[in-house]
Amino acid sequence: EPEVTQTPSHQVTQMGQEVILRCVPISNHLYFYWYRQILGQKVEFLVSFYNNEISEKSEIFDDQFSVERPDGSNFTLKIRSTKLEDSAMYFCASSEAGLRDEAFFGQGTRLTVV
Amino acid sequence: DAKTTQPTSMDCAEGRAANLPCNHSTISGNEYVYWYRQIHSQGPQYIIHGLKNNETNEMASLIITEDRKSSTLILPHATLRDTAVYYCIVRVPYNTDKLIFGTGTRLQVFP
Repeated sequence: EPEVTQTPSHQVTQMGQEVILRCVPISNHLYFYWYRQILGQKVEFLVSFYNNEISEKSEIFDDQFSVERPDGSNFTLKIRSTKLEDSAMYFCASSEAGLRDEAFFGQGTRLTVV
Repeated sequence: DAKTTQPTSMDCAEGRAANLPCNHSTISGNEYVYWYRQIHSQGPQYIIHGLKNNETNEMASLIITEDRKSSTLILPHATLRDTAVYYCIVRVPYNTDKLIFGTGTRLQVFP
């Protein structure tokens, strides 16, 4: 069964450092998403991406965040200058036809900012 | 998107049907009901969705009341691996790309 893969599974970084979280969506999917979940809290939408541009973003997704599809297979989330409060599980997801269709989520990257 | 109300937690014996309710009394005519689940801290997993007719797939059944103000997700024969947080989400699939997750129902399946 096709799956969304995320790397690394766990990343520790120092406050103020830049991090890049990587995702390989399912190959024929056209819509890509990032969500995050702070420990013990709800899953929160960050951004959706279609046709090489952001289609929707939340208030959380400020100038510190950016997304990119650098080639035909990867989808990345960059946090420019990490803060302690960025510590969370970050989930990548993809879907074939927007959310008229089911979204497939990866297993997540646990980001710890120290 | 309409808000949903779900019980905080439920228990179910292994092998029995798990019936998870969701109230969405302010749902509008073009909003669909989606169910996802999250096992431990893994990524959410799609289960099923519907508009007004009952739906069934290999994982579960979705029963939507005639007035569409509530729905029930049914796992016909719960297993220990079904222990998870279950999220009921209502949304218009053509208006927005995002899923808004609430706090969901924590289902504990016991032997």
